[in-house]
Order: sequence, then C-alpha cells, then structure tokens
Amino acid sequence: EPEVTQTPSHQVTQMGQEVILRCVPISNHLYFYWYRQILGQKVEFLVSFYNNEISEKSEIFDDQFSVERPDGSNFTLKIRSTKLEDSAMYFCASGGSRSDELNSYEQYFGPGTRLTVT
Amino acid sequence: QQPVQSPQAVILREGEDAVINCSSSKALYSVHWYRQKHGEAPVFLMILLKGGEQKGHEKISASFNEKKQQSSLYLTASQLSYSGTYFCGIDGGANNLFFGTGTRLTVIP
Repeated sequence: EPEVTQTPSHQVTQMGQEVILRCVPISNHLYFYWYRQILGQKVEFLVSFYNNEISEKSEIFDDQFSVERPDGSNFTLKIRSTKLEDSAMYFCASGGSRSDELNSYEQYFGPGTRLTVT
Repeated sequence: QQPVQSPQAVILREGEDAVINCSSSKALYSVHWYRQKHGEAPVFLMILLKGGEQKGHEKISASFNEKKQQSSLYLTASQLSYSGTYFCGIDGGANNLFFGTGTRLTVIP
C-alpha cells in the first residue's frame, strides 16, 4: 500500500541553524501539506501546496518557513534560523487524486520528523 | 477556527461505549476524524461531508450535524486497540484541516 515517507526521522539542530525536512508524498496525490505537533499538543496546520504553489498557509507559517517541490517526488519544508520553539514533530500529508472529488479526500500522514532545537 | 472537543479524556473498560464530540464556531464543509497512537502519525478514520451524514467503520461511526456545526464520533464495544488520542479536523473550505485539542481514550481490560 502506498504511503507518505519522511526523512530524517529525528533532526537535532542548534538555534539559528537552517533545517530542511523532506517528504515523499503518495505518487498520484495532488495536494500536499505540512503540519506540526508540539509535544502533548494538537496537530497544527502550517501550509498546503497545490499545482506547484502554496494554496493556503497559517499564521504560524511566517517568513522563517518555505516549502518547495524540487522534483516530481519530493516535498520539502525549510526552516531558516531555527528557534527553540520550533521544536516539534513535523508531519507531511498528502491527499486528493484526479479521481477524487476535490473536497472529499482524506489526508494520509507520514510518520513525522521530530525536530529538536537546542 | 480551532474546533472544541469533549471530553478531553475518557477511560473505558473493554466492551463499553463512548461518544466524542467536536463543535465549531464556524460553518463546516466537512469533518475528518483521526486517531493517533503515542509516538505515531495520525491515522485517518473517516470523513463526513454533508449535514446529517453518518458513516460507520466497524464499530466506530460518526455523525455530522451541519446546522449545529458539530460532529460526534461513536465507539461501541470498545477494544484495547481503540486506545489513542482522537482528533477531529474541520475543513473551513480549502481542505486545510484545523484540528481540535484531542480526546485521549484509554481502554482497559
């Protein structure tokens, strides 16, 4: 069964450094997402991506963050100048194929990347 | 846009039933339900699209009351494997999900 994959599973970085989190969405999906979950809290929407551009972003997704789909398979989240409060689990999700009604698809989550900023 | 879930936590014995509620202050286009086990990614359970729609998945079902802007998840004859945190995610129209704070369900033997 196809699944969303993410690398690395755990990333430790120093405050102020840049990190890139990588995701490979399910191949026939059209919509891609990044969410984050601070330990013990709810899952928070960061950004959605469709047709090679950002379709929606939350207020969390400020200039420190950027997303890219550098090739036909990868989807990346870059965090510039990381802060202590960026420590969280980051989930990539994908959904919506051409055969789906575009308002009715489920989102499949990857296993997450645990980011620790020290 | 964050939905409100209740209860925050519930403990059940195997075989007991539970209801988890999710309500929003804004109009809902759809409601998604996910279960997350500790240290794992959220796993999709079901999506409800229309007012009054009910869906079932084994012994887990859900309803969606569009007028009341709320959804409920029903777990019947709970099993140990049902333990986890249940999140409702509301779609405000762009299919970006805004999740509730979660309901931690613990099923004990």
